[in-house]
Amino acid sequence: DQQVKQNSPSLSVQEGRISILNCDYTNSMFDYFLWYKKYPAEGPTFLISISSIKDKNEDGRFTVFLNKSAKHLSLHIVPSQPGDSAVYFCAASAETQGGSEKLVFGKGTKLTVNP
Amino acid sequence: EPEVTQTPSHQVTQMGQEVILRCVPISNHLYFYWYRQILGQKVEFLVSFYNNEISEKSEIFDDQFSVERPDGSNFTLKIRSTKLEDSAMYFCASRENRDNQPQHFGDGTRLSIL
Repeated sequence: DQQVKQNSPSLSVQEGRISILNCDYTNSMFDYFLWYKKYPAEGPTFLISISSIKDKNEDGRFTVFLNKSAKHLSLHIVPSQPGDSAVYFCAASAETQGGSEKLVFGKGTKLTVNP
Repeated sequence: EPEVTQTPSHQVTQMGQEVILRCVPISNHLYFYWYRQILGQKVEFLVSFYNNEISEKSEIFDDQFSVERPDGSNFTLKIRSTKLEDSAMYFCASRENRDNQPQHFGDGTRLSIL
């Protein structure tokens, strides 16, 4: 099941530069997209989300872009900080009759921000 | 900030034994979820729960699994007769009863089946 794909298992950037994490999806029914950050031995921590009626959402250093025609979203972190080093998961959900809105996750991208 | 709490953090169980994983969702949340992550694989949905009943479950969630909200604060996942392949991190999540709200996750229970 490859409905949500993160094709880069890892990314390394210098402190202060921009980090761009990418995610592709195949299910056109997805209407809500999220990014989670995960440190070892912790659960996924919600970072930022975007609904399908928007193409951009910004929260401080984090911006998510959604390109529905390409079924692609990206997370931009600028400026990147060493504390941003973690695994980043892209997730998506589709509105269902039962209201479940289960999340479908990508495999994650490990971001390393070097001082 | 309110958070989802899970206990225990690590559970070691013999194959064939029953195990109960416990979760306390965020207090004003009404949707509850269990996910699992087998080592090296994706986080996968198991089940969602709303209004005291299962709203959706995955193929993984077979008759060996059950969920319960025994009181106003706890949400449990029971595996009746554990198998080696049940070894995984199990995450509980909850969200508000409004559209397009993020799910908030606990730190997980690492289940090891021997």
